[in-house]
Amino acid sequence: DSGVTQTPKHLITATGQRVTLRCSPRSGDLSVYWYQQSLDQGLQFLIQYYNGEERAKGNILERFSAQQFPDLHSELNLSSLELGDSALYFCASSVGPGQETQYFGPGTRLLVL
Amino acid sequence: DAKTTQPNSMESNEEEPVHLPCNHSTISGTDYIHWYRQLPSQGPEYVIHGLTSNVNNRMASLAIAEDRKSSTLILHRATLRDAAVYYCILRANQGGKLIFGQGTELSVKP
Repeated sequence: DSGVTQTPKHLITATGQRVTLRCSPRSGDLSVYWYQQSLDQGLQFLIQYYNGEERAKGNILERFSAQQFPDLHSELNLSSLELGDSALYFCASSVGPGQETQYFGPGTRLLVL
Repeated sequence: DAKTTQPNSMESNEEEPVHLPCNHSTISGTDYIHWYRQLPSQGPEYVIHGLTSNVNNRMASLAIAEDRKSSTLILHRATLRDAAVYYCILRANQGGKLIFGQGTELSVKP
């Protein structure tokens, strides 16, 4: 158990819909990262927040957005969903914004039908 | 970001040592070498990291070539639980994000 929690575990929805994935980092960790894992693209970095501020952006689509709240939990919002958005979404946390070890949650499996 | 090259897959027998290679010929002087692994149906987990010197921890050892253009993750006695995809990742000094390649899928035979 990494100490990072993600909800929900599974999500099934339809194209065009909007969903919100939630992540609670390990106690004391200020940095949160979101990654997407699909069969064809592998594990890809989406976005990083540190202490409430966006720190780095990766291959995140404009239809996707994220935020980190004052209690440090984070949410990833996916809208206008397409079939290709079906993937595993992982959240990771670390103490600081840099080289520190990242601890990954169990992931949310999203299926868009 | 500098790239790494790993074999797609490797096989090992249980209780034997495993050497997982990684080439990173374009590594810069401030890049750290990190290894993560992903067990089936789980999120990735940290294994070990280093800069120039060889490193040991309870999970594995990391051997870094003198020119730093390659490294090897060593599992001293593979167990069935070590079957996973192993990722070799270069991280810049300030770098937070992890850039995952294809990794090496390790299978362990009883």
